[in-house]
Amino acid sequence: NAGVTQTPKFQVLKTGQSMTLQCAQDMNHEYMSWYRQDPGMGLRLIHYSVGAGITDQGEVPNGYNVSRSTTEDFPLRLLSAAPSQTSVYFCASSPRQGAEQFFGPGTRLTVL
Amino acid sequence: SQQGEEDPQALSIQEGENATMNCSYKTSINNLQWYRQNSGRGLVHLILIRSNEREKHSGRLRVTLDTSKKSSSLLITASRAADTASYFCAFQGGSNYKLTFGKGTLLTVNP
Repeated sequence: NAGVTQTPKFQVLKTGQSMTLQCAQDMNHEYMSWYRQDPGMGLRLIHYSVGAGITDQGEVPNGYNVSRSTTEDFPLRLLSAAPSQTSVYFCASSPRQGAEQFFGPGTRLTVL
Repeated sequence: SQQGEEDPQALSIQEGENATMNCSYKTSINNLQWYRQNSGRGLVHLILIRSNEREKHSGRLRVTLDTSKKSSSLLITASRAADTASYFCAFQGGSNYKLTFGKGTLLTVNP
């Protein structure tokens, strides 16, 4: 199993550009999440999904959209990138509520 | 903020010594988890302790949970240079799925 994969590994955007961060898992996990990690802030939850077709907001959802059309994929969309969205983004999946989470390797995003 | 707080923010020890990290939280929880993050990489799950458990062991790791004080500690015994990493606590509470992370402790183990 590849586990949780994320693409791209690195990305540089200009303010106002849009892009999609990809996340996929091959463990048939129902639960998937997106986090951002900033220096001194730990991980903060952006959006999460408890199954295909079901998504909900986390702690810092503004500026991000998600969808979950399949169990495997959970893309994160930045509609109009801002410098405040410069961060490292992690996708995670979990087999059930309250269980351990499996993290992807992260995407380092810089917005100029 | 519902974020957990970890203490200390940074810890530097010699190989062979024990390392203790603490985590405090403010809400009632169902479980508390500890994760490790090597520099620039994704987080790796270490151990999960449920709210009705007081202590749990996994290899050189020992986790305690005191729900009355809303705190947990992670002890790494006989540390190795390879244990150098950031360690995060994360707690899950209520009926929702969300996992709330602390800000982490940076552990440096010197050879």
